Amino acid sequence: EIVMTQSPATLSVSPGERATLSCRASQSIGSDLAWYQQKPGRAPRLLFYGASTRATGIPARLSASGSGTEFTLTISSLQSEDFAIYYCQQYKDWPLTFGVGTKVEI
Amino acid sequence: EVQLVQSGAEVKKPGESLKISCKGSGYSFTYYWIAWVRQMPGKRLEWMGIIYPGTSETRYSPSFQGQVTISVDKSTNAAHLHWGSLKASDTAIYYCARGSGYTFDTWGQGTLVTVSS
Repeated sequence: EIVMTQSPATLSVSPGERATLSCRASQSIGSDLAWYQQKPGRAPRLLFYGASTRATGIPARLSASGSGTEFTLTISSLQSEDFAIYYCQQYKDWPLTFGVGTKVEI
Repeated sequence: EVQLVQSGAEVKKPGESLKISCKGSGYSFTYYWIAWVRQMPGKRLEWMGIIYPGTSETRYSPSFQGQVTISVDKSTNAAHLHWGSLKASDTAIYYCARGSGYTFDTWGQGTLVTVSS
């Protein structure tokens, strides 16, 4: 199965700062990557698919890029509602797999 | 509004059986995949399996193959996740999610399953 590795495990930032989250696949997945946000006690929320296509309602301060094995999620100016855990997920091959997540905290 | 509404929390004993449900509304239920995702306490998301209601085509993650059964009832727009014999290690929150292809844009609220003697 394709292993997804996310870094860092925890990112401590202040509101207004820029945050950059990384996701690496154990083999090439092209652009078959999605990003999700999960807040405590809530279901995950789709942010991006196709590595860089923003899902409905996702603000422009969030952006995503990458292809092959290296992917990045960037939050240009952190707002209070952005503090959460972020997961990447590959859908190139079965079984679908998630990374372990990056926690963005103050 | 597209929604997935899951059945309520369950408390079971090891060895008991259980079926939880996920009811879709606000869209054509048969045309979108439904996936089940496990989240053990404080842990990552794990794909368990997926079903296409239109054909009942089902695929399981190897980690969950033979451990659970995913089914669908098109007459009620509901997908189900079934255990024949629960273990303490099945304690987790289970989410269903709607997919177009293999990205999932709508999620249920989650069902907490607690297995304890």
